[in-house]
Amino acid sequence: AQSVSQHNHHVILSEAASLELGCNYSYGGTVNLFWYVQYPGQHLQLLLKYFSGDPLVKGIKGFEAEFIKSKFSFNLRKPSVQWSDTAEYFCAVNKWSGGGADGLTFGKGTHLIIQP
Amino acid sequence: GAVVSQHPSRVICKSGTSVKIECRSLDFQATTMFWYRQFPKKSLMLMATSNEGSKATYEQGVEKDKFLINHASLTLSTLTVTSAHPEDSSFYICSARDLGQGAYEQYFGPGTRLTVT
Repeated sequence: AQSVSQHNHHVILSEAASLELGCNYSYGGTVNLFWYVQYPGQHLQLLLKYFSGDPLVKGIKGFEAEFIKSKFSFNLRKPSVQWSDTAEYFCAVNKWSGGGADGLTFGKGTHLIIQP
Repeated sequence: GAVVSQHPSRVICKSGTSVKIECRSLDFQATTMFWYRQFPKKSLMLMATSNEGSKATYEQGVEKDKFLINHASLTLSTLTVTSAHPEDSSFYICSARDLGQGAYEQYFGPGTRLTVT
């Protein structure tokens, strides 16, 4: 079975600081990788995804992530965070089987707080 | 596009009763929908995969007789929590896989907060 590990459960940063959230997964086959964000009181939103191709993917709101296959990692980055980035961030993975991609396996999430 | 709705958004029920939660894809067809459960301050856990016109596939440890899933059309899946107990209180979230987008992506609904008293 696949699993996802997010190393930082709580992160506190000041505005304009750089952000990197770690994500590692365990699965030997081909996977699809995702980062989702959940703002307080809101539902999950997709930040970015990796299916294939360029391992450096750019998402919405200035976020990017790099897939490093040899390290089974998919870390999320943002060069300069804003107060509005305060939210819960989830790394997720699924694999392709049959007629489409499977349900997602999520990491435990990282609670990010940006201080003004 | 790619909007998924859930109804109700919140429900409170008494222990021993059953509750039905609906998940609808509003502007696309979804042969496959997924049901997740999110505990407070915890991650989402995949409960089951719902396939239109066939039986749902449940993840290990999820009781299929307690969490009944029906996927009667390409735009609607329902989750019925039968004989609910306080430990079933949780946030239930569905997602739908867009057949038209090559079945790679899934779009999440806003969730349903279930409280069992």
